[in-house]
Amino acid sequence: AQKITQTQPGMFVQEKEAVTLDCTYDTSDQSYGLFWYKQPSSGEMIFLIYQGSYDEQNATEGRYSLNFQKARKSANLVISASQLGDSAMYFCAMREIQDSNYQLIWGAGTKLIIKP
Amino acid sequence: ETGVTQTPRHLVMGMTNKKSLKCEQHLGHNAMYWYKQSAKKPLELMFVYSLEERVENNSVPSRFSPECPNSSHLFLHLHTLQPEDSALYLCASSQARQGLDYEQYFGPGTRLTVT
Repeated sequence: AQKITQTQPGMFVQEKEAVTLDCTYDTSDQSYGLFWYKQPSSGEMIFLIYQGSYDEQNATEGRYSLNFQKARKSANLVISASQLGDSAMYFCAMREIQDSNYQLIWGAGTKLIIKP
Repeated sequence: ETGVTQTPRHLVMGMTNKKSLKCEQHLGHNAMYWYKQSAKKPLELMFVYSLEERVENNSVPSRFSPECPNSSHLFLHLHTLQPEDSALYLCASSQARQGLDYEQYFGPGTRLTVT
């Protein structure tokens, strides 16, 4: 079974609109961390935001926020006021405390295209 | 140079060739990673080095051979590859420690095509 599921292979969004990218995860750990990365066409993965499983508040970083719903095991990324430069692949990833090597488990990604 | 650099950015090689991918991190991190990224698939972790020792080898075929001579450099030696090995190979580094919240920093990748 997949541990990280991103159900949207691709999305088109009008510039300046907010966009929500879905991510659901599966873990039996009580302690885990969730990450979002952006990958532009240049190829480099860029870290965006982190949410810990015990964090009571949703993480925010500038225009990025994470809608963390623990009971539903979802960690959706919200981008406010989208810009053309937000066009990229977006990946959700998880790290579990039971993994002694603290590896990241990755989703398949969502391709976001911002339309002018 | 800053961050994580990878060379070459693009590589085309025949199935009988031997080549090496190079990664260098300028962040003072203590862990380095090789990932394979194929189209429409999640990133596949290939190798992890922590403090220059390999701590993870995720059932990668022996035609891929990693080398970590020091904490700043990581190589992936390639020989007798197959066409299905064509992919983007990403290197990453991190300051690995106990806990969950440290991020990995990635290089721009090497786009490998095996003919």
